[in-house]
Amino acid sequence: KQEVTQIPAALSVPEGENLVLNCSFTDSAIYNLQWFRQDPGKGLTSLLLIQSSQREQTSGRLNASLDKSSGRSTLYIAASQPGDSATYLCAVYTNAGKSTFGDGTTLTVKP
Amino acid sequence: GAVVSQHPSRVICKSGTSVKIECRSLDFQATTMFWYRQFPKQSLMLMATSNEGSKATYEQGVEKDKFLINHASLTLSTLTVTSAHPEDSSFYICSASDPRQMNTEAFFGQGTRLTVV
Repeated sequence: KQEVTQIPAALSVPEGENLVLNCSFTDSAIYNLQWFRQDPGKGLTSLLLIQSSQREQTSGRLNASLDKSSGRSTLYIAASQPGDSATYLCAVYTNAGKSTFGDGTTLTVKP
Repeated sequence: GAVVSQHPSRVICKSGTSVKIECRSLDFQATTMFWYRQFPKQSLMLMATSNEGSKATYEQGVEKDKFLINHASLTLSTLTVTSAHPEDSSFYICSASDPRQMNTEAFFGQGTRLTVV
């Protein structure tokens, strides 16, 4: 059974810092891994999708890497801003069509 | 890209009533859709797999008589929370994949926040 773990559970940083969020999964037979952002009381906003054949994806200040063989992904946020404060979820997608989510990392960026 | 639409985005209902949530694939046909729920301060957990033309498959611990799933067409799955209670208050979200893309990616609806009072 696929299990997804995210570390840390919570993170508080001053504005401007670069930071790394970690995601690990137990079964490497995945189609892709996706990072989402979720604001309090809101739905999911897709940030980056990495296919199983890819090593990384970049969008603006965000960079996500994937090491499928070791079951790890990282989300790097450069020059963090207060508007980045949210919960970040990673999810792995398998050929069964299902997504398995981690518990999320709640990020607070202080002005 | 493929789009999945979910309605309503928010609903408040009285305890004991039923609530229906719709999940539509707008530009592709989906024989399978998935329903997830998220309790406060927890992650999203798979509830059930909705199969077009056949019965849904429920995850362990999910009551099939309480959470009725109907996948009557290739573009629509509905989740009905029957006799809702306050403990059913949660965030519900659906997903589907596009067979034209070999089902290699899940597309999520906007989610429905249910509050039972």
